[in-house]
Amino acid sequence: DGGITQSPKYLFRKEGQNVTLSCEQNLNHDAMYWYRQDPGQGLRLIYYSQIVNDFQKGDIAEGYSVSREKKESFPLTVTSAQKNPTAFYLCASSMRSGRGETQYFGPGTRLLVL
Amino acid sequence: AQSVTQLDSQVPVFEEAPVELRCNYSSSVSVYLFWYVQYPNQGLQLLLKYLSGSTLVKGINGFEAEFNKSQTSFHLRKPSVHISDTAEYFCAVSERVTGGGNKLTFGTGTQLKVEL
Repeated sequence: DGGITQSPKYLFRKEGQNVTLSCEQNLNHDAMYWYRQDPGQGLRLIYYSQIVNDFQKGDIAEGYSVSREKKESFPLTVTSAQKNPTAFYLCASSMRSGRGETQYFGPGTRLLVL
Repeated sequence: AQSVTQLDSQVPVFEEAPVELRCNYSSSVSVYLFWYVQYPNQGLQLLLKYLSGSTLVKGINGFEAEFNKSQTSFHLRKPSVHISDTAEYFCAVSERVTGGGNKLTFGTGTQLKVEL
């Protein structure tokens, strides 16, 4: 089955710790995205990548980092600089990064701070 | 930057009743609009999208939306809801971003609760 997988489903972070959220897609999509979802705020774009070895900051990139070394993988690291990381994180991909392209979403990772 | 407003944070409705979820956008240029649905603790699933052409767009699960340029709206409707439609619904607009590419700007969501 083609789709987007995110792991883990739940992740716990201690103070001062960096954690990495995994996102893998087997849809052969060029573009990939990371969103953060907080209750009552909708989804906000953290980072996006149009192609391998390239990525750009979204609206709320501070405290986060990404890499895009392979087409199918776009991991997100939540660094210790992100002071309020508790949220639901969603990864998405699209065939290309055009305006009308449908973004397909993974099942999400819920990050909690201990 | 474009924005999307979903005025209703929650909409309760009885099963088999019709429902309308409202979405307004801010843009004076051509827009591409989307409706997504999210079931609890899951990712988002596309319901429908408007790119151009007919202003009435039909989607999955019996939903449809009408693009109204003069009122800058893209309201989602279903003539008869089912208990399984209980979920959160997000309206989104696509816009270009610095450095190339496009992003989706989402509204804050509307929680649809279908009651028996």
